[in-house]
Amino acid sequence: TQLLEQSPQFLSIQEGENLTVYCNSSSVFSSLQWYRQEPGEGPVLLVTVVTGGEVKKLKRLTFQFGDARKDSSLHITAAQPGDTGLYLCAGGPGNQLIWGAGTKLIIKP
Amino acid sequence: DVKVTQSSRYLVKRTGEKVFLECVQDMDHENMFWYRQDPGLGLRLIYFSYDVKMKEKGDIPEGYSVSREKKERFSLILESASTNQTSMYLCASSLLGGPLYEQFFGPGTRLTVL
Repeated sequence: TQLLEQSPQFLSIQEGENLTVYCNSSSVFSSLQWYRQEPGEGPVLLVTVVTGGEVKKLKRLTFQFGDARKDSSLHITAAQPGDTGLYLCAGGPGNQLIWGAGTKLIIKP
Repeated sequence: DVKVTQSSRYLVKRTGEKVFLECVQDMDHENMFWYRQDPGLGLRLIYFSYDVKMKEKGDIPEGYSVSREKKERFSLILESASTNQTSMYLCASSLLGGPLYEQFFGPGTRLTVL
């Protein structure tokens, strides 16, 4: 059974700090996606990575797919309160994605 | 932009009631999904459908059924609601064989069963 483990489960930091959250598996995924979910809303796709070693940037967010395509990381530079939310990773292939449990991130002003 | 709408944001039902949750998408996606989300457990797939009248069980189908009579609409039915079905229910859609299998979500229905 493929599993995705996210760490940490919870992170609370001050505005302006940097942080990294992780999504790890013992299985290979053909693609991996990161979603952000705000309270009371559904998840929204941030990025998809498909190539081992791939790095994608979305403003202050940097996403990396591991060389072996078994893990991924999300790094946020100079976090802002608007980054607060639940960050979920999900892996393919297939129509049924495998989901991690998420990292709950709180950025305090 | 893809839009996925769910019939209710909040719902309160009593044990034993039949509950209908409806989901509509406007992007002609073949795939539609129903998940439930509970703290610390992430998203768990209840059912998905890849075509009209087609359905596949997910990881936790017990106590639920689904209906897809039209491509844009996917309904989740709780035949006899129980308190352990209190949860956030999320509907999603995606293209069949879409290159990256990206899923687009509705805002969710928070269901409380008393």
